[in-house]
Amino acid sequence: QVQLVESGGGVVQPGRSLRLSCAASGFTFSSYGMHWVRQAPGKGLEWVAVIWYDGSNKYYADSVKGRFTISRDNSKNTLYLQMNSLRAEDTAVYYCARDLQAVAAPDAFDIWGQGTMVTVSS
Amino acid sequence: DIQMTQSPSSVSASVGDRVTITCRASQGISSWLAWYQQKPGKAPKLLIYAASSLQSGVPSRFSGSGSGTDFTLTISSLQPEDFATYYCQQANSFPPLFTFGPGTKVDIK
Repeated sequence: QVQLVESGGGVVQPGRSLRLSCAASGFTFSSYGMHWVRQAPGKGLEWVAVIWYDGSNKYYADSVKGRFTISRDNSKNTLYLQMNSLRAEDTAVYYCARDLQAVAAPDAFDIWGQGTMVTVSS
Repeated sequence: DIQMTQSPSSVSASVGDRVTITCRASQGISSWLAWYQQKPGKAPKLLIYAASSLQSGVPSRFSGSGSGTDFTLTISSLQPEDFATYYCQQANSFPPLFTFGPGTKVDIK
């Protein structure tokens, strides 16, 4: 079935780096834009980044711009989020999510992973 | 940047009640609005996209309306499984910034 599975979360010290992965299955990964969305403990949802289906465009929330990099490997059906210079305020559950429409401008997110927790603490 | 607000922030309701949640954008977003339901410890679930289109598999008691800056999500007859937090999300800005509203918690009266 259609599925997204995140991995790579954990506890990391401020200023360090971490890379999250999102493995996709059950659909043509290379046809869909993909997103990272995060949720700090007890807080609401915050969109983090998007990458177009072919990797041609990438956009970021201001809060992570210059520190985080979204990428994808369509041959491996995998989405990534490289997080550098981590701060305490980056502590959150990180979800990957799929665009609703294939080969189209990003719109809504119809498939979500289960999330992976990132804790930034000394 | 486009800001999203939701009201109320929380609502207490009973099974069978009609519940309406409002979402407002700081500038016009046409119909580029989606609604999600999230239960504790779970990923969000898409309910409505393009302001009023029901996502496949979502019960018909959920409906969305609005365009421009003002939108509503209505649950026509609240069911026990509907107690959750609901978020709106816009997708109209450029560069793309998919802003979520702060959420509305629906709990049991």
